[in-house]
Amino acid sequence: DAKTTQPPSMDCAEGRAANLPCNHSTISGNEYVYWYRQIHSQGPQYIIHGLKNNETNEMASLIITEDRKSSTLILPHATLRDTAVYYCIVRVTGANSKLTFGKGITLSVRP
Amino acid sequence: DAGVTQSPTHLIKTRGQQVTLRCSPKSGHDTVSWYQQALGQGPQFIFQYYEEEERQRGNFPDRFSGHQFPNYSSELNVNALLLGDSALYLCASSHRRVPNYGYTFGSGTRLTVV
Repeated sequence: DAKTTQPPSMDCAEGRAANLPCNHSTISGNEYVYWYRQIHSQGPQYIIHGLKNNETNEMASLIITEDRKSSTLILPHATLRDTAVYYCIVRVTGANSKLTFGKGITLSVRP
Repeated sequence: DAGVTQSPTHLIKTRGQQVTLRCSPKSGHDTVSWYQQALGQGPQFIFQYYEEEERQRGNFPDRFSGHQFPNYSSELNVNALLLGDSALYLCASSHRRVPNYGYTFGSGTRLTVV
């Protein structure tokens, strides 16, 4: 699986958009970009995934650059409950391929 | 609809002992994966089971073994515990015929080896 690079931490104000970057310059054509988050003392929670088109769901938006070498997870209106570690993962397609986690980015939402 | 259930939530064992952790997958899921998460690190893949067989394995020694039952639930066994095995053990479930969807994780079992 391709490796991802994320800054170790960032913060944002409550109510503002949080834009979390991820680099995956060695991504292959059959690899998806996934985002998970882990709130303290809980298991990781799936947020969103995409191949090459931008994706949006009730939790977040995923913007993937045209060359697919980087992506941004956008939380449109961050709340204190969004404080967590966010993992960007590149994963090959196929039956239940494993997830390879890095250290993720710690997002702190301040009041 | 129950999510992934893991038991116990916390466990303290002595070095050299053996431990068994349990996982019930989300309803409708047939595949179980296990991950180990050391403090301050991301989860690391241990192995995956479906159709009651180990299908993939990460870089973990043979002291780590598992089992999947006909009802899709799973156990993780660790023998000859080392202090370094202290970690949060996470179970994740999915459906083999929906391979690109996200996994559902349990809240984990916190294992402390003393």
